[in-house]
Amino acid sequence: AQTVTQSQPEMSVQEAETVTLSCTYDTSESDYYLFWYKQPPSRQMILVIRQEAYKQQNATENRFSVNFQKAAKSFSLKISDSQLGDAAMYFCAYRSGQSNYQLIWGAGTKLIIKP
Amino acid sequence: SAVISQKPSRDICQRGTSLTIQCQVDSQVTMMFWYRQQPGQSLTLIATANQGSEATYESGFVIDKFPISRPNLTFSTLTVSNMSPEDSSIYLCSVVPQPNTEAFFGQGTRLTVV
Repeated sequence: AQTVTQSQPEMSVQEAETVTLSCTYDTSESDYYLFWYKQPPSRQMILVIRQEAYKQQNATENRFSVNFQKAAKSFSLKISDSQLGDAAMYFCAYRSGQSNYQLIWGAGTKLIIKP
Repeated sequence: SAVISQKPSRDICQRGTSLTIQCQVDSQVTMMFWYRQQPGQSLTLIATANQGSEATYESGFVIDKFPISRPNLTFSTLTVSNMSPEDSSIYLCSVVPQPNTEAFFGQGTRLTVV
């Protein structure tokens, strides 16, 4: 069975600095997707970034980028120029490339932004 | 993409009663998922709801306690039955519109049972 591990329950960063959130996963599949979701206090789950396993290039979305190390089964999220609005819970999630569409979730990392 | 309207956003209920949570999607989707989330914790899948068939429940969740309706491809309900304080949680619905897309979520329902 697939598992997702986020080893950092909480991280803090100074505003405008860079922070990296870690995520590792375990799978025997070759076809899968990885996601980072953000959940602010409003509870709305928002997609931050996604990565297809077959793509070697790391995904980037503005200030958010990932370091996808397929062999090491690592999928970390880097947030550059941190802003107060980035404060939230961040969840790493795995989805098989098969058709069941179910997500396997990490435990989450609470990100605190210090002004 | 998909936009999901989830209602109610929050409710306070008496123990022993039931609450029905609704999710309306702005497009047709095959599979819809219902999650429970304790504050500050990760999501736990309750069940997967396909239109036209019985929902598939995860270990620890049963149909009598969490009956699910999926009458068409844009709508689903989750009922939390015979509630106890242990059912106090956030409940989320989610859809994956296409095989190669991400999941989209409703705004969540914060349930408090007193």
